[in-house]
This record gives sequence, C-alpha cells and structure tokens, in this order.
Amino acid sequence: EAQVTQNPRYLITVTGKKLTVTCSQNMNHEYMSWYRQDPGLGLRQIYYSMNVEVTDKGDVPEGYKVSRKEKRNFPLILESPSPNQTSLYFCASSRGGSVDGYTFGSGTRLTVV
Amino acid sequence: RKEVEQDPGPFNVPEGATVAFNCTYSNSASQSFFWYRQDCRKEPKLLMSVYSSGNEDGRFTAQLNRASQYISLLIRDSKLSDSATYLCVVNPYMEYGNKLVFGAGTILRVKS
Repeated sequence: EAQVTQNPRYLITVTGKKLTVTCSQNMNHEYMSWYRQDPGLGLRQIYYSMNVEVTDKGDVPEGYKVSRKEKRNFPLILESPSPNQTSLYFCASSRGGSVDGYTFGSGTRLTVV
Repeated sequence: RKEVEQDPGPFNVPEGATVAFNCTYSNSASQSFFWYRQDCRKEPKLLMSVYSSGNEDGRFTAQLNRASQYISLLIRDSKLSDSATYLCVVNPYMEYGNKLVFGAGTILRVKS
C-alpha cells in the first residue's frame, strides 16, 4: 500500500530534550515536506526537500532540523524542544511536479512541557 | 494579507443541502490549485485538483477564477459523512517546485 509513515503518533516530552520524528514513504517520491498545524493558523511548512541531500527552509524553520540521506526518509529533529513547538506535525510527499498533490502521513501530536 | 484565505465557518447545513465555499489567493502567478479534506485530528486528504476549465467529481464541483483570484468548491446533496474541514490549497511558487500553501480551512457540519 502506498503510504507515508510517521512515528510516533503521540509524544509528550520535556523542554530541552532532543527528539526525532521519523517519516518514511514507499512511493519513490522526490519531494518531501514537514508541516505543523496549529488552531487558526492552518498548515505551515517547516522544511522541504526536493531530492536526496537537497533540503531547504519553509516558512517556520526555527528550532527544527531535517536531513535527507535516502530518498524514502525525511526525519524531523528538534534539538532543544520548547513549549511553543507543541503542535500537530505532518510529513508529506509528492512526485515533485507543480501539479501534484501531497500524500500525508497520519500526523504526530507533540506536547512539550 | 494571507496568501490563501478562507471563511472559517462553520457552515451548518441539513442533509441534502447544497453548500459552496470560496477561497482567495494573493499570488496571481499561482499555477496549481487543490481542495483537501481533513477530518478531526487526522491527516489532510486530496479531494480534488482544480483546473482552469472547472471540474466535477460526483457531487463535488470545483471552479477557478483567475481574474478574481478565487477558487470555489460546491457540494451538492450533502451527506453526514461530508462533515469535515475543507482546505483550499495553492502552489504559488514555481521556483520552489511543489511547495503548497494551505488555507486555514472551512468547517462544514452536515446535520440530519
């Protein structure tokens, strides 16, 4: 089944404790992206990657890191999480063309206390 | 001004009603347009792409008005299962490949 897999689904952590949210897709998609979703603000792009070893900042990259060492994986790293990073996070992938929609992972609900 | 703006609703309609949502976008160079559906606390799912000539998929019709920079979604014969948040999505930046910008969503509640 074609899908984007995110883990974990739920995570509660403390301020400053490094964490990684994993994302993997099995569709051989070139384009991958991370979004966060907050009430009233909609989905905002954190980082994106157009191919292996090619990553770039989205609209809200502060406090996040990503890597794209393999085509299928695009982990999101929070080196020192803070409470304002409490949010619902989605990983998405697409073939990369401008007319292609995204396939989303199931989401990760992160709470930083 | 937000890049993509939607009326947040909620739109409360009875089963069988016809309901329409509009969405405006700010970048006139935008090339790709979509409607996504999002159920509570779940991932957004592509409902339909929006083409310049307009397109229809069953009870759903999408229209694009480039001159006025708005997109619409019409749902006919609403079902209870149509209750969800509808996200208007635009690709405004050709130079960044497939970057999509999402509206904050319009809530639809269909009641029996």
